[in-house]
Amino acid sequence: AQSVAQPEDQVNVAEGNPLTVKCTYSVSGNPYLFWYVQYPNRGLQFLLKYITGDNLVKGSYGFEAEFNKSQTSFHLKKPSALVSDSALYFCAVRDWYYGNNRLAFGKGNQVVVIP
Amino acid sequence: GAVVSQHPSRVICKSGTSVKIECRSLDFQATTMFWYRQFPKQSLMLMATSNEGSKATYEQGVEKDKFLINHASLTLSTLTVTSAHPEDSSFYICSAAILAGGSTDTQYFGPGTRLTVL
Repeated sequence: AQSVAQPEDQVNVAEGNPLTVKCTYSVSGNPYLFWYVQYPNRGLQFLLKYITGDNLVKGSYGFEAEFNKSQTSFHLKKPSALVSDSALYFCAVRDWYYGNNRLAFGKGNQVVVIP
Repeated sequence: GAVVSQHPSRVICKSGTSVKIECRSLDFQATTMFWYRQFPKQSLMLMATSNEGSKATYEQGVEKDKFLINHASLTLSTLTVTSAHPEDSSFYICSAAILAGGSTDTQYFGPGTRLTVL
């Protein structure tokens, strides 16, 4: 089965500093990778995805992610963090299962942006 | 675009009652909808995958008679928690996959339903 790992529980960053949220994947075949963000008591919001093409993927709210095949990573980045970026971030990989495109999620990373 | 709604957003019920949660894709047709459960500060646990017009596929360990799923149309899926008990209290989130050229690779999520069983 496909899987992703988010090694850190919480990421603390000062406002204005670069933000990186790490994700590594384990797949057979080509990976379809996703990043979602979740604010308290809300559903997940789609940020970006990698299917094929350029390794640097740009998404919503100024986020981007870099697909690195040799390191099997798909880290989420933002050049300058905002306090409003404080949320729970999930990396996910498409897991083909009986013909359904289900997602396998990482455990999530709590991002805290310090004013 | 790609908006998914859930209703209700919050429900409190007595033990033994049944609760129905609706998931709607508002501006697109979704061949597949997914139901997740999330415990505090934890990741999403997939409960079942629902395809329009066919029976849902449940994940291992999820009781299909307890969590009834109906996907009657390309824009509506419902999850019914039957004879709810306090251990069923959780945050339930649905998602819908966009039908785009045969690919259903992006899931869009609803805002979630907070179920509290007393």
